[in-house]
Amino acid sequence: DQQVKQNSPSLSVQEGRISILNCDYTNSMFDYFLWYKKYPAEGPTFLISISSIKDKNEDGRFTVFLNKSAKHLSLHIVPSQPGDSAVYFCAASGYGGSQGNLIFGKGTKLSVKP
Amino acid sequence: DAGITQSPRHKVTETGTPVTLRCHQTENHRYMYWYRQDPGHGLRLIHYSYGVKDTDKGEVSDGYSVSRSKTEDFLLTLESATSSQTSVYFCAISEVRAATNYGYTFGSGTRLTVV
Repeated sequence: DQQVKQNSPSLSVQEGRISILNCDYTNSMFDYFLWYKKYPAEGPTFLISISSIKDKNEDGRFTVFLNKSAKHLSLHIVPSQPGDSAVYFCAASGYGGSQGNLIFGKGTKLSVKP
Repeated sequence: DAGITQSPRHKVTETGTPVTLRCHQTENHRYMYWYRQDPGHGLRLIHYSYGVKDTDKGEVSDGYSVSRSKTEDFLLTLESATSSQTSVYFCAISEVRAATNYGYTFGSGTRLTVV
């Protein structure tokens, strides 16, 4: 049973436009949500996170929105740049649901075209 | 990746042979994790450690064992490799159990092919 779902395997966006990556979760016990970025042949790197007590967190071009009632979060990248092309993983953690360990979605491959 | 090293980076092995992957950290972090990444499955937790000689199973632990005799080293062993264990393996470290606002630090991965 997948607790963290990224239903879009891929997304293509034009440079300068907004990229919106979506993530859904099923376990209401999750209390932190994170986004990781992964380039080919490298390990995932932490991008941005949000606590369940917030509904928005912003860091430069990256903003994560959390809708707890819908069990949905999204990552907005504005403006998108070719260097943003990577696989993005949504992850969640919480003692009630995952014993504190990160549970990842399947990832969304973002392609930003010049 | 600063502070965390995986070895080897690439390995090809035959079905039925034992394989050990090594994760070494210089950050003195208490928690260490092994994940595997497969197309269509994302990152799945194999085993994790919360201290020297303290380990526990993750989501996909069958066919794998781990050991942690020192804070800095976390070994993943495939006792008898199978083709289904062909994957990219990532080690991760963290200071705290629950990933809060800074998450885990991952190594660069080990690409394992079982033929």
